[in-house]
Amino acid sequence: EIVLTQSPGTLSLSPGERATLSCRASQSVSSSSLAWYQQKPGQAPRLLIYGKVSRATGIPDRFSGSGSGTDFTLTISGLEPEDFAVYYCQQYGSSPLTFGGGTKVEIK
Amino acid sequence: EVKLSESGGGLVQPGGSLRLSCEGSGFTFSNYATSWVRQAPGKGLEWVSAISGSATRTDYADSVKGRFTVSRDNSKNTLFLQMNSLRAEDTAVYYCAKDQRPWLWSPGDLYFDLWGRGTLVTVSS
Repeated sequence: EIVLTQSPGTLSLSPGERATLSCRASQSVSSSSLAWYQQKPGQAPRLLIYGKVSRATGIPDRFSGSGSGTDFTLTISGLEPEDFAVYYCQQYGSSPLTFGGGTKVEIK
Repeated sequence: EVKLSESGGGLVQPGGSLRLSCEGSGFTFSNYATSWVRQAPGKGLEWVSAISGSATRTDYADSVKGRFTVSRDNSKNTLFLQMNSLRAEDTAVYYCAKDQRPWLWSPGDLYFDLWGRGTLVTVSS
């Protein structure tokens, strides 16, 4: 099973700042099969990025994904008030699919 | 509107059973593999089980294998999760979620573009 480790656990930033979230895999993730989700309190997760770099429908271009092999990054280029939430990475290149433990982006 | 709606959660004693349902609408339900994903209180996401669009293939996390059974009735656009021998550690919000890509099935090869709002399962005496 591929273990995904997200860091930092919490990121304290101000609106307008750039957020860089890391997701490290215990083994190489094949075929760039890496997704990112956003979850707000009391809500279901929302798909942001799939295929490592492709934005899901309706996701603004301030969200971008990058990386390869075992190291992946979600970047939010300028935080909007609605971006403060918890973010999860997920790999789907190997069974079972697995999620990272999450990074909370909070207002500084 | 494309939507998934779960139901069937509640309080159950350890060792008991519960059946969750998830109704899809606004899309061709039978074309998509669908999963159950759970989230324990204050914790992260854990994949539980998956079923192909045709209902011929299933897959389970080791933590639930032999206790949970996933099924679907495409004539009613509904996904089910039969949960037996429940344990305290099964306490969580259970979400149903559909894969973004139609007609695809490969164990583990799933990511989710549509989620329900979740249903809470509490296992406690």
